[in-house]
Amino acid sequence: NTKITQSPRYLILGRANKSLECEQHLGHNAMYWYKQSAEKPPELMFLYNLKQLIRNETVPSRFIPECPDSSKLLLHISAVDPEDSAVYFCASRNRGRDTGQLYFGEGSKLTVL
Amino acid sequence: GDSVTQTEGLVTVTEGLPVMLNCTYQTAYSDVAFFWYVQYLNEAPKLLLRSSTDNKRTEHQGFHATLHKSSSSFHLQKSSVQLSDSALYYCARGSWQLIFGSGTQLTVMP
Repeated sequence: NTKITQSPRYLILGRANKSLECEQHLGHNAMYWYKQSAEKPPELMFLYNLKQLIRNETVPSRFIPECPDSSKLLLHISAVDPEDSAVYFCASRNRGRDTGQLYFGEGSKLTVL
Repeated sequence: GDSVTQTEGLVTVTEGLPVMLNCTYQTAYSDVAFFWYVQYLNEAPKLLLRSSTDNKRTEHQGFHATLHKSSSSFHLQKSSVQLSDSALYYCARGSWQLIFGSGTQLTVMP
């Protein structure tokens, strides 16, 4: 799926700061960050609807999302923890009465040493 | 609260035989869509099927599912599985956010 691009694709960190980037070329008005840990389903972290943030309150404060425009999404991570090792998927959709399909990017695999 | 339940964590089926993956849900909303996503190893989830219409069968790539609001179910079925169907299957409920079930790993044996 080249319509949602994520970078970097793979990331190995100690206790450092890093940002994940996502860009969608689908004209969607809602963008998401999902975290998928090993053997688990994707879990919603953050949702931007028309650039308004809705957050999952269980997400640690070291994760800070940013939506510079309607097609871009960033996830800033500070002082990563081993429990943060996971694949982080960016996704997008068109909101509205007809809840459309969610399109996922290829994911950014984070490994915390 | 709202939830999606997939009772089988692992299903193994012989190639050419039928399969049904179970999905039941609880929701307080009447106007909600339901989805089946498939995830192959080291790939992102991809939409397989979606439905928001009660008692209407939806089909794609040989798979089919029917949303039954009376029994709160959206089971996924295929009449003859192929080796390439081996993957992780997620049932999901959608409104402003997508809630995934725990997933069912389907393994098709030759």
